[in-house]
Amino acid sequence: DSGVTQTPKHLITATGQRVTLRCSPRSGDLSVYWYQQSLDQGLQFLIQYYNGEERAKGNILERFSAQQFPDLHSELNLSSLELGDSALYFCASSVDTTRGYEQYFGPGTRLTVT
Amino acid sequence: AQTVTQSQPEMSVQEAETVTLSCTYDTSESDYYLFWYKQPPSRQMILVIRQEAYKQQNATENRFSVNFQKAAKSFSLKISDSQLGDAAMYFCAYTGTASKLTFGTGTRLQVTL
Repeated sequence: DSGVTQTPKHLITATGQRVTLRCSPRSGDLSVYWYQQSLDQGLQFLIQYYNGEERAKGNILERFSAQQFPDLHSELNLSSLELGDSALYFCASSVDTTRGYEQYFGPGTRLTVT
Repeated sequence: AQTVTQSQPEMSVQEAETVTLSCTYDTSESDYYLFWYKQPPSRQMILVIRQEAYKQQNATENRFSVNFQKAAKSFSLKISDSQLGDAAMYFCAYTGTASKLTFGTGTRLQVTL
């Protein structure tokens, strides 16, 4: 158990819908990262937050957004869902935003868009 | 942009034997970190080992060790005394100026009796 929690574990929804994925980092970790794992794109970095502020953006679609709250949990919002958004979404946390700190991954949320 | 390449989609090893998984990367940065993550069928991403680029000594964690060749930009993972529980996808990852992880495409390791 990495100490990072993600809810829900599974999510099945229809095209055009909006969903919210939730992540709670390890106790003491200030930095949260979101990654997407899909068959065609592999593991891709989406976005990073540190202590409530956005720090870095990757290949995140405009239909996707995220935020980190004062209690440090983070939410990833996916809207106008398409079939191609079906993937495993991971949240990872680390103690700092400095490179080299280990990132600990949550169990992931498997999103299926039908 | 940094890239990570894993050229072996699948590998197989017999129990108790040793196997080496390959990884190469491309970067113009001088200060960076490299990682190996394991993803078993449960899909959980588990950190296996971490290497700091400025350290010449290869990292070791129990049965797992790396061969880090900075000039060649190579970072292979050696698993000794392979166990059935080592069967998983293994991902090589890079982090540099940006703290995000850049992953390779993974190598699926099978462990046979």
